[in-house]
Amino acid sequence: DTAVSQTPKYLVTQMGNDKSIKCEQNLGHDTMYWYKQDSKKFLKIMFSYNNKELIINETVPNRFSPKSPDKAHLNLHINSLELGDSAVYFCASSQAQGRGGYTFGSGTRLTVV
Amino acid sequence: SQQGEEDPQALSIQEGENATMNCSYKTSINNLQWYRQNSGRGLVHLILIRSNEREKHSGRLRVTLDTSKKSSSLLITASRAADTASYFCATDAGQAGTALIFGKGTTLSVSS
Repeated sequence: DTAVSQTPKYLVTQMGNDKSIKCEQNLGHDTMYWYKQDSKKFLKIMFSYNNKELIINETVPNRFSPKSPDKAHLNLHINSLELGDSAVYFCASSQAQGRGGYTFGSGTRLTVV
Repeated sequence: SQQGEEDPQALSIQEGENATMNCSYKTSINNLQWYRQNSGRGLVHLILIRSNEREKHSGRLRVTLDTSKKSSSLLITASRAADTASYFCATDAGQAGTALIFGKGTTLSVSS
């Protein structure tokens, strides 16, 4: 069983489109995260939810909107995709903030053409 | 804001040698963690060291933490080709509303 699963693994889309990335964890963790990894492998936190409540909302364009229907799921919706949105997006979860390591999904490689 | 800075950016060694990677950070922390990322994969948690600990071991991994210098090191002993990956340090401020902040990573290549 995959602990943190993301779909899709690859996403190629045209500028201006709207797309979603889904994430699910079966670890019973309370906190979930979205990170963006750029072409230089730099990881930047985007959002975090704790038990369906948004607790971190970093400076990202309003075109990015996270949604957490329950504590096991955290989806990322992106409107009006731009070339600069091309990156690898990672979902992660942890038992609680400040405790223990994070478990990461395998990533979604988004390419905007 | 970026917290951790790894050094070196890239490291190439032979199998059997030891690999040492360093990480420096800027603000106070609750704990510091090291992660490995194989090419095209997600990050895997390796080890966590708390701010009141100075050294921790896990198998062939040894992590040290010097909070006075705001630095940490990861030592991989007797490296193997399978250790080839990028290694990241990440700091946890332990405050509500914060998440792990990652450094830029060290790319390790182990050749046989």
